[in-house]
Amino acid sequence: DIQMTQSPSSLSASVGDRVTISCRASQGISTFLSWFQQKPGKAPKSLIYDASSLQTGVPSKFSGSGSGTDFTLTINSLQPEDFATYYCQQNKSYPLTFGGGTKVEI
Amino acid sequence: EVQLLESGGGLVQPGGSLRLSCAASGFTFSSYAMCWFRQAPGKGLEWVSAISGSGGSTYYADSVKGRFTISRDNSKNTVYLQMNSLRAEDTALYYCARQVGPDFWGQGTLVSVSS
Repeated sequence: DIQMTQSPSSLSASVGDRVTISCRASQGISTFLSWFQQKPGKAPKSLIYDASSLQTGVPSKFSGSGSGTDFTLTINSLQPEDFATYYCQQNKSYPLTFGGGTKVEI
Repeated sequence: EVQLLESGGGLVQPGGSLRLSCAASGFTFSSYAMCWFRQAPGKGLEWVSAISGSGGSTYYADSVKGRFTISRDNSKNTVYLQMNSLRAEDTALYYCARQVGPDFWGQGTLVSVSS
């Protein structure tokens, strides 16, 4: 199974900050990586697919990069609605696996 | 507009069964693989099962293999998850999603396994 490791597990940031979240795969997954945002009591929302492609309707303040084993989600100009938990997921092979999540707090 | 609506969750005793349904609309259902994911209270996301667009290929997490069965009815635009021999550790919010790297998620249906 491919293990996904996110760091940090939580971070504190302020409105207007730029935030970077890392995700590492235990083996190469090319760009078969997605990022999701989840707010308390809500379903996950898809942000990025194929490591760097923005889902339709997602603001360009979100960006993804990386390939192989190391990936990054960057959020520019953090706004109150961006405080949430973020997950990465590999879809290179079954079983599909997620990182443990990064909680972005004020 | 893509919509996914799960139903069928509830409270069940250990060893019992439930069948979850996910009704899809707003896209050509048979063209897309569908997945079930779950999230235990206070925990992260976990993949449960996936099915190809035709229904000819199915995949399961080891934790549910042999107990859960995924299926789909493309004439009804619905994907199902038959859950047998339920355990306390299956307690979670179950989400259906379109594609294996999901682009759309349903709102979830809660499954509680307890005596």
